[in-house]
Amino acid sequence: AQKVTQAQTEISVVEKEDVTLDCVYETRDTTYYLFWYKQPPSGELVFLIRRNSFDEQNEISGRYSWNFQKSTSSFNFTITASQVVDSAVYFCALSDTNYGGSQGNLIFGKGTKLSVKP
Amino acid sequence: DAGVTQSPTHLIKTRGQHVTLRCSPISGHKSVSWYQQVLGQGPQFIFQYYEKEERGRGNFPDRFSARQFPNYSSELNVNALLLGDSALYLCASRLGQHQETQYFGPGTRLLVL
Repeated sequence: AQKVTQAQTEISVVEKEDVTLDCVYETRDTTYYLFWYKQPPSGELVFLIRRNSFDEQNEISGRYSWNFQKSTSSFNFTITASQVVDSAVYFCALSDTNYGGSQGNLIFGKGTKLSVKP
Repeated sequence: DAGVTQSPTHLIKTRGQHVTLRCSPISGHKSVSWYQQVLGQGPQFIFQYYEKEERGRGNFPDRFSARQFPNYSSELNVNALLLGDSALYLCASRLGQHQETQYFGPGTRLLVL
């Protein structure tokens, strides 16, 4: 069965600290995609990154970076030099070929609430 | 370009009532999915529609139903509301029916009293 685990429920850091959000996934598929979304207090899920199972290169986008390791089924997200505006709930999600009877439906973790204090 | 839009933004209903939530996808996107997010949890998949047909269904009771219209907008209907249906209902759109990125709307907050 497919599953996404975000073991960190809440993290609190001081501005400018680096922070890593952990994500571990389970799937039997060899072809799958992993995502990170940000949910600010307004509630809307904001897309951050999509990575397919065949691309294990790490990715950097500004202060954000992602580390994908198939050997440990992990897809961790690091924010460098955190800012107050980074405060939100962050969700890791998995889509494979047959969840809910079709492709691409997302299985979310429970989220990690990040608080960045000035 | 406009993103995914949803209406209404907030809704209060009583147990046993029926509710209809609406979603308009990003222009050019043909697939709409619905998710339920209970407070403190991650979103749970309810339905996926593509080209007006149901293509996927999550583990939700038959009280939940949906449809997609020729303009690709969608409605989610919930009958015989229970207290446990109180949640944020999120609509997401994507180009096709495969594993493309899904873009989410602002959600409808439903409170059942």
